[in-house]
Amino acid sequence: GQQLNQSPQSMFIQEGEDVSMNCTSSSIFNTWLWYKQEPGEGPVLLIALYKAGELTSNGRLTAQFGITRKDSFLNISASIPSDVGIYFCAGLDGGTSYGKLTFGQGTILTVHP
Amino acid sequence: DSGVTQTPKHLITATGQRVTLRCSPRSGDLSVYWYQQSLDQGLQFLIQYYNGEERAKGNILERFSAQQFPDLHSELNLSSLELGDSALYFCASSLSWGNTEAFFGQGTRLTVV
Repeated sequence: GQQLNQSPQSMFIQEGEDVSMNCTSSSIFNTWLWYKQEPGEGPVLLIALYKAGELTSNGRLTAQFGITRKDSFLNISASIPSDVGIYFCAGLDGGTSYGKLTFGQGTILTVHP
Repeated sequence: DSGVTQTPKHLITATGQRVTLRCSPRSGDLSVYWYQQSLDQGLQFLIQYYNGEERAKGNILERFSAQQFPDLHSELNLSSLELGDSALYFCASSLSWGNTEAFFGQGTRLTVV
C-alpha cells in the first residue's frame, strides 16, 4: 500500500528558530494536507495543497506541494512555544478512495523558550 | 472545538468484549470517517460513510464494523477485542464525499485489558 515517509521524526529547537519538515511518497498524490495534533486532541488541519508546485501560507506556516507530486514540505518561521505538538502530513490520491487519507508517521516538535 | 463529537472519551474493557464508539459529525456534514491511531501503526484510515452509505474502506479488521444512521451520526463497533486493539479512535467529518478538509473529533481512547 501507499506509504508516506515523514522526517525528521522529532525536533528540539529554541524559540525563534525556523523549522522545516518534509514528507515523501513512493506514489503520486493529488492532494497534500498538513495537520497538527496536540495532546488529548484530534488532528487539526493547518494547510491544504491541491496543485503540484503550489506554495501556500497560513500565518507563520508555509507548505509546498512538490512538483513531482510525491513530496511536500512544511516550514514554520520564528517558532513559539505554542507550536509544540505533532505535525502530520497526509496525502489523498483522489482515485477510488476519495476519503482515504494516508498519513505520515509525524514529526514531534519541541520548542524551548 | 471542531464541532465533531465523539463519545465516550475513554473506554476500558476486557479482551473478548464488544464496544461501540459513537460520532456526531459537524452540522451539515454528510461524510464521516473513522481512523485508528496507535503508537506502532500511526494514524490509519478505517472506513468512510457518506450520507448513510459506505464510501471507502481502509485497513479495517473483519471484527470491526461501522454504520451511519439517517441522522448522520455514526457508530464504530469493535468486537472480540484483543490487547492490540488498544488505541485512539478518531472520527472526522466533511461536507461531501470528496472533500479533503475533514474535521476531527477529540477521539475515544480504548484500552483493552
